[in-house]
Amino acid sequence: GDSVTQMEGPVTLSEEAFLTINCTYTATGYPSLFWYVQYPGEGLQLLLKATKADDKGSNKGFEATYRKETTSFHLEKGSVQVSDSAVYFCALMGAQKLVFGQGTRLTINP
Amino acid sequence: GAVVSQHPSRVICKSGTSVKIECRSLDFQATTMFWYRQFPKKSLMLMATSNEGSKATYEQGVEKDKFLINHASLTLSTLTVTSAHPEDSSFYICSVRGLETQYFGPGTRLLVL
Repeated sequence: GDSVTQMEGPVTLSEEAFLTINCTYTATGYPSLFWYVQYPGEGLQLLLKATKADDKGSNKGFEATYRKETTSFHLEKGSVQVSDSAVYFCALMGAQKLVFGQGTRLTINP
Repeated sequence: GAVVSQHPSRVICKSGTSVKIECRSLDFQATTMFWYRQFPKKSLMLMATSNEGSKATYEQGVEKDKFLINHASLTLSTLTVTSAHPEDSSFYICSVRGLETQYFGPGTRLLVL
């Protein structure tokens, strides 16, 4: 069945560092891919998405490119801020519902 | 995207009582809603899928008699935790299926004493 694998956390970086959170997936066909962010004590917010191969989703300085050949959708940001501290979930749209990775906790220190 | 609200945001109850959590889609008619449970520092676990006007579909291992789901209208779904016990303490999140993805409520933290 469909599945999503994210890099193990937690990840701790200093402010202005470069961020990469790896995400790979297994699915039949070409699902839409998503990154969601969860701030402490809150629900999930859609961060960005890509619906087909080679699409690049971007939002708030974050980017991720849909790579069909490597079945990956890695999240990147060039310069992180303390306010980016949160849990990040990679997900794909499977049979009518989302399939999530396990989440990666990111902490940014000033 | 769709705006989803949940009520209450936090609830504390005594063991053996029932708790109802509401999920509302404020600007989108949701024929399908999802209920998730999240344990501390863990990913979301899908509990059930509710379709407006019909019975919910529960994931394997989720007790349908304990977690009652009602989706009576296109804007409201409710989750009732019946005879709650301390092990039911968790963060419950609802979600609405949109055109391309799902949109999530802010979550309800349940603490059963």
